[in-house]
Amino acid sequence: DSGVTQTPKHLITATGQRVTLRCSPRSGDLSVYWYQQSLDQGLQFLIQYYNGEERAKGNILERFSAQQFPDLHSELNLSSLELGDSALYFCASSVTGTPNSPLHFGNGTRLTVT
Amino acid sequence: AQSVTQPDIHITVSEGASLELRCNYSYGATPYLFWYVQSPGQGLQLLLKYFSGDTLVQGIKGFEAEFKRSQSSFNLRKPSVHWSDAAEYFCAVGEVNNDMRFGAGTRLTVKP
Repeated sequence: DSGVTQTPKHLITATGQRVTLRCSPRSGDLSVYWYQQSLDQGLQFLIQYYNGEERAKGNILERFSAQQFPDLHSELNLSSLELGDSALYFCASSVTGTPNSPLHFGNGTRLTVT
Repeated sequence: AQSVTQPDIHITVSEGASLELRCNYSYGATPYLFWYVQSPGQGLQLLLKYFSGDTLVQGIKGFEAEFKRSQSSFNLRKPSVHWSDAAEYFCAVGEVNNDMRFGAGTRLTVKP
């Protein structure tokens, strides 16, 4: 058990809809990362937060947004969903959010857009 | 930009045989290097990491990896594979702008 909790585990929704994925980091970790994993794109970095502030941005679409709250949990919001957004979304956390700080992954949220 | 390449998409080995998974990176300085494993339906779990010092690092589950600067490689090895090692393995590099880049992954199948 990594200590990172993601909810929900599965999400099925229709195109055009909006969903929110939630992540609680491991106790003591200040940084949260979001990744998208799909068969054709592999594991893609979306965004990173550290102690409530955005620290790094990757291949995150404008339709997607995220935030980290004062209690350090994070939410990833996906809107105007398209079929291609179907993927496994992982949250990971680390202590310092620096390149030498290993990531601890949750079990992911599987999003299916129909 | 920094990149990570895992040349082998899928590898099959017999149980008890040795294993080597390849990873090459592109980066100017000595990077922070990691190997993660993902079992079906699970998140990624850290196997080992290299930052500096001894170029041969030991990890969990009997895995080790060797950093070779001249070859820009960080290959993962295990002397004797167990059926439970069947999974997807990811090499990753820590970037200075704080995100972590992952390779495409190598899927390991273990034959009985």
